[in-house]
Amino acid sequence: AQSVTQPDIHITVSEGASLELRCNYSYGATPYLFWYVQSPGQGLQLLLKYFSGDTLVQGIKGFEAEFKRSQSSFNLRKPSVHWSDAAEYFCAVVPYTGTASKLTFGTGTRLQVTL
Amino acid sequence: DSGVTQTPKHLITATGQRVTLRCSPRSGDLSVYWYQQSLDQGLQFLIQYYNGEERAKGNILERFSAQQFPDLHSELNLSSLELGDSALYFCASSLSPKYEQYFGPGTRLTVT
Repeated sequence: AQSVTQPDIHITVSEGASLELRCNYSYGATPYLFWYVQSPGQGLQLLLKYFSGDTLVQGIKGFEAEFKRSQSSFNLRKPSVHWSDAAEYFCAVVPYTGTASKLTFGTGTRLQVTL
Repeated sequence: DSGVTQTPKHLITATGQRVTLRCSPRSGDLSVYWYQQSLDQGLQFLIQYYNGEERAKGNILERFSAQQFPDLHSELNLSSLELGDSALYFCASSLSPKYEQYFGPGTRLTVT
């Protein structure tokens, strides 16, 4: 069955430290890949997306993600975390083929930033 | 601000009642999607419309229905509400099904 896995439910990092959030997917072919962020009481904001091409994609707020086909992974990274990055992060995928494009989300990773 | 608007922001109602959630997509977007976010189920896709036509259905209950109007806004109707329907309901829109989705702020539904 198609699935998205975010193995880390909760991560705590110090402000200024680097960050990597893991995402693995299980699909028959390479899907479209996304990272969204949700602050408490807020909607989902698109951080970045991967459709094809360069496997290292840059997003907003200093985030980047790397697509690794061999590992079926799309991990999110940030070199230096700010306190305002504390939020919940969701990896999501859309099947590459077909006109229907429902997002399948991982269970999310809650990021806590200590000062 | 994503450009997707949802009303109302909060909704409190009783079991057995019916409610309507409204979504206006970003200017120019033809696709509208509805998602439900709950603690036990996480983020779940409900239904998708493209230019007025239903394109995909997810785990949407028969008590729930939706439509997209000619002006492209969409409504999600939830009827015979149960306690378990309490959740955040998000609307998202995209230019077409092949593009990224932008989410609205959500409607928090509380069924008492």
